Parts: sequence; C-alpha cells; structure tokens
Amino acid sequence: DTGVSQNPRHKITKRGQNVTFRCDPISEHNRLYWYRQTLGQGPEFLTYFQNEAQLEKSRLLSDRFSAERPKGSFSTLEIQRTEQGDSAMYLCASSLLGFEKLFFGSGTQLSVL
Amino acid sequence: GESVGLHLPTLSVQEGDNSIINCAYSNSASDYFIWYKQESGKGPQFIIDIRSNMDKRQGQRVTVLLNKTVKHLSLQIAATQPGDSAVYFCAEPSVRGGADGLTFGKGTHLIIQP
Repeated sequence: DTGVSQNPRHKITKRGQNVTFRCDPISEHNRLYWYRQTLGQGPEFLTYFQNEAQLEKSRLLSDRFSAERPKGSFSTLEIQRTEQGDSAMYLCASSLLGFEKLFFGSGTQLSVL
Repeated sequence: GESVGLHLPTLSVQEGDNSIINCAYSNSASDYFIWYKQESGKGPQFIIDIRSNMDKRQGQRVTVLLNKTVKHLSLQIAATQPGDSAVYFCAEPSVRGGADGLTFGKGTHLIIQP
C-alpha cells in the first residue's frame, strides 16, 4: 500500500502520561501535515513540515506538543502530560504540491482517561 | 472563527436521487476550494477541487459549483449510492496564504436511504 500510514490506530492513556504517534507519508511527498479532529468537527491544522523543516505551527499546538520529521521521511507527534482535552483523532496528511490535494491517513484515535 | 461553514449538519437522500451539499465561506480572497469525503473510521479523501476563476467543475458523478457573489460552494452527487454515505467537508486554504494547510468546515453527514 502506498498511502499515508499512521500508527497506532487507537491509543488509550491515562491523564498525565506521554504518548507518541507515527506517520509514514507517501514516499515521494515532501510536505507532511498534522491535523486534529474532534467529534463532529472538521480537521484543524496543527503543524506542517517541508522535508525535515517544521515551517508552521498552529496556536493549537501547545508546548506539550512536539513534532519531528527526521531525515524528511516519517514524522512523530508527541504529547506530553496528556489532558482529557487532548482526546481526539490525530490525522496526518502528505502532499507533493503543497496544501492542495492532501492525502490523509486513517488517523490515530487518542482517548485520555 | 472558521472561514468555511456548512448549511446542514445532516442530509438524508434516497438511493438513486441526486444530493446537493452546501457550504458558505467568508474569505472573499480565497482562490481555491476543495471537497473531501470522510467515511467512518477513515481520514478525509479528496473528491474534487475548483479554482476561483471557474464557476463549475465536473468529475465522475460529482459537480462542484462556485458562486463567488454570495460566497457559496456546493457539491452535487448524481445518482447517490450507498457508498456515498459519509461526512463531506468543504475546505479552503488557511488565511495565512495556504502554507499552513487548509481550513475545513464542520461537515455535512450524508445518509443514504435504501
């Protein structure tokens, strides 16, 4: 399969724990985006990378959130000291042409208890 | 606040009928719009896009109409099938020039009645 892959699909954690998600984009895509989606809402932009450089971060991305994309390939999103409000679907998308025609993965559903 | 929105949270149609999903946007400077389909448990999937220099664009069973005068976007799905059941989002480049991705509306849940 050559689509965007995200792991894990589901993550249940206790408040205060750290979690890390992984995204493997489509191999030739140089742009990688992270979005967050809560129930009944559209995806909200968190951050994006062009190759290994993190170029934009939303104000939604508090200092408990950190994203990396070493070597411009896969990316990780870490949330430290999780809070119940962090419960959401975390979506990764990649593109070759920029914000146009983003290809999304199936997401990681995070539940913070 | 968000710059794209929806007109109906849920739309129920009979199988075989045509569906029309509407979206209002507020950023008159937007020059590009996209429709995404999101099935349960999956990420959004690109359906069709349109640039602001066009009023209409057709794909396979789908048509997007853009009315810049009233800042309105619609997605028409012909001969709706059970596989069309999903949430549909309109999206536009974020206000800061699009480098930071897309701004999505809240979406319309399309339900297909047998």
